[in-house]
Amino acid sequence: DAMVIQNPRYQVTQFGKPVTLSCSQTLNHNVMYWYQQKSSQAPKLLFHYYDKDFNNEADTPDNFQSRRPNTSFCFLDIRSPGLGDTAMYLCATSREGGGVTDTQYFGPGTRLTVL
Amino acid sequence: AQRVTQPEKLLSVFKGAPVELKCNYSYSGSPELFWYVQYSRQRLQLLLRHISRESIKGFTADLNKGETSFHLKKPFAQEEDSAMYYCALMNGGYNKLIFGAGTRLAVHP
Repeated sequence: DAMVIQNPRYQVTQFGKPVTLSCSQTLNHNVMYWYQQKSSQAPKLLFHYYDKDFNNEADTPDNFQSRRPNTSFCFLDIRSPGLGDTAMYLCATSREGGGVTDTQYFGPGTRLTVL
Repeated sequence: AQRVTQPEKLLSVFKGAPVELKCNYSYSGSPELFWYVQYSRQRLQLLLRHISRESIKGFTADLNKGETSFHLKKPFAQEEDSAMYYCALMNGGYNKLIFGAGTRLAVHP
């Protein structure tokens, strides 16, 4: 099945130790998104790629970076995780990101715990 | 500032009862609104979008610009409707979404 895959599903890291989360898609969609969802809170958009164009949200901390080496893969890098970065990280894709008829397809998420 | 508010964290009803999940928004412009659902152990997925004016799994949602609301309704709840429901507002281009904090719907037999 075409889908959005996230690896790993669970990740534990230590305070300050860099971590990378992975997302891949078989939908051949142009747009990929990363959301952060803390416990009992709304998913919050961190950034998105339209093809190779990177778009950062204004309030996304500098500690969070992203890479998209090709259409299928997108990575979330947290350079120096803090305790407050413990959250579920959701990856999503959409075909064109061009309007209300476009749909975002979500991955299952990676639950990150920073100790 | 653009914002989506879901005032109820939990809504608990019995099977067959009507359901209304509340969503209010703040947006300077013509809003485009969605409902997403997350069933247990499944990923977040689109339930419906207001522009389609469709009914999915018996759910409907009407945009009320005067009250800045987009409440989700179903006349007769089923146990399989138990899930987390998120209201979302499209914010600018590239289908960027602002989500509410979600309401957990629990339908009891």
